[in-house]
Amino acid sequence: GQNIDQPTEMTATEGAIVQINCTYQTSGFNGLFWYQQHAGEAPTFLSYNVLDGLEEKGRFSSFLSRSKGYSYLLLKELQMKDSASYLCAVRDGSSNYQLIWGAGTKLIIKP
Amino acid sequence: GAVVSQHPSRVICKSGTSVKIECRSLDFQATTMFWYRQFPKQSLMLMATSNEGSKATYEQGVEKDKFLINHASLTLSTLTVTSAHPEDSSFYICSAVQASGYNEQFFGPGTRLTVL
Repeated sequence: GQNIDQPTEMTATEGAIVQINCTYQTSGFNGLFWYQQHAGEAPTFLSYNVLDGLEEKGRFSSFLSRSKGYSYLLLKELQMKDSASYLCAVRDGSSNYQLIWGAGTKLIIKP
Repeated sequence: GAVVSQHPSRVICKSGTSVKIECRSLDFQATTMFWYRQFPKQSLMLMATSNEGSKATYEQGVEKDKFLINHASLTLSTLTVTSAHPEDSSFYICSAVQASGYNEQFFGPGTRLTVL
């Protein structure tokens, strides 16, 4: 079956670094996405990985290992506004643009 | 980036009435749009895939006669919740795919539906 696992909740300190992990088991693979969702709002796109390696975009980086079915989102220099849920999603290629969604990781930033 | 609007943002209705939610891609054409619902503290649940000019594809367990989807143009998809009941109260979110770049989904701001 299709499955995406990520931790339910994480806590970090303002100014620090946090890594949110995501593991997946899907029938196919055609890219992995990370989205950020603040409470009561819709998700916003953060990053996309389709090849192995690290993609860096400002304070956020995302890593992918296809052989291990593993990705992480790395957030540096944490700010209070980074408190949100972070959703990992995989496009398995079987359906037109459809994504398989993880349950999301709620990140709590403390001063 | 691509902008998707959703209207209304919040609606309260009586049980038994129907509610229509509009999803528009403002600066791009979207051949594919998705409709999700999300309960508090839960992840997105895909309800259906909406393709312009064709019938929507519904996920297992989603009643197509209750959740009517129309994708009449490349920039507009509508979801109508027919004969709404309190258990239909939820956060409904649409997304649209811009067929360029990463083909990522761009989300509308969501509609909070409360059925009394």
